[in-house]
Amino acid sequence: GQNIDQPTEMTATEGAIVQINCTYQTSGFNGLFWYQQHAGEAPTFLSYNVLDGLEEKGRFSSFLSRSKGYSYLLLKELQMKDSASYLCAVREDTDKLIFGTGTRLQVFP
Amino acid sequence: DSGVTQTPKHLITATGQRVTLRCSPRSGDLSVYWYQQSLDQGLQFLIQYYNGEERAKGNILERFSAQQFPDLHSELNLSSLELGDSALYFCASSEEPQGSYEQYFGPGTRLTVT
Repeated sequence: GQNIDQPTEMTATEGAIVQINCTYQTSGFNGLFWYQQHAGEAPTFLSYNVLDGLEEKGRFSSFLSRSKGYSYLLLKELQMKDSASYLCAVREDTDKLIFGTGTRLQVFP
Repeated sequence: DSGVTQTPKHLITATGQRVTLRCSPRSGDLSVYWYQQSLDQGLQFLIQYYNGEERAKGNILERFSAQQFPDLHSELNLSSLELGDSALYFCASSEEPQGSYEQYFGPGTRLTVT
């Protein structure tokens, strides 16, 4: 079956670092995506991992371990505008993305 | 602005009715995806089209159908609507369905069934 788990909610302080974890069990694996979604808006692409290791992109980094079925999204120097939901999604062998339910991050001043 | 357009932005209709949601992908994108997002739920993949052909199917109800036209725009038809169909419906497009090609999401259509 398919299962993607993320924490439901997280809180952090402006300027801090936060790590959002994602574990997955899917019938196939062809890449993992992270998307950001502000309430009522469309998801926007943050990162893509298909090989093990860390991908860094400005304040955001994403890590993947395929053997452990595990990824994390690391957000540094948090800003108030980073308050949003963060969606982990796995592409199976077919083209479709399976999304987790998302982690709602609240950044406080 | 992702370049993906969806119409209408909001739709309010009654149970038992039928509606059509429309999506225009980014210029050059051949792949179109439809997702449903209910309150407090994750994005649920419904169906994907690639260059006019159905490519993958997710948890799409039999009351729902979709198609992609020669100009690559897509329509999602929802019939015999139920209260539980109230949700945000997103369309996304990508250049290619494989590899690192990300999906670009449209602004969504908020459907309310009363």
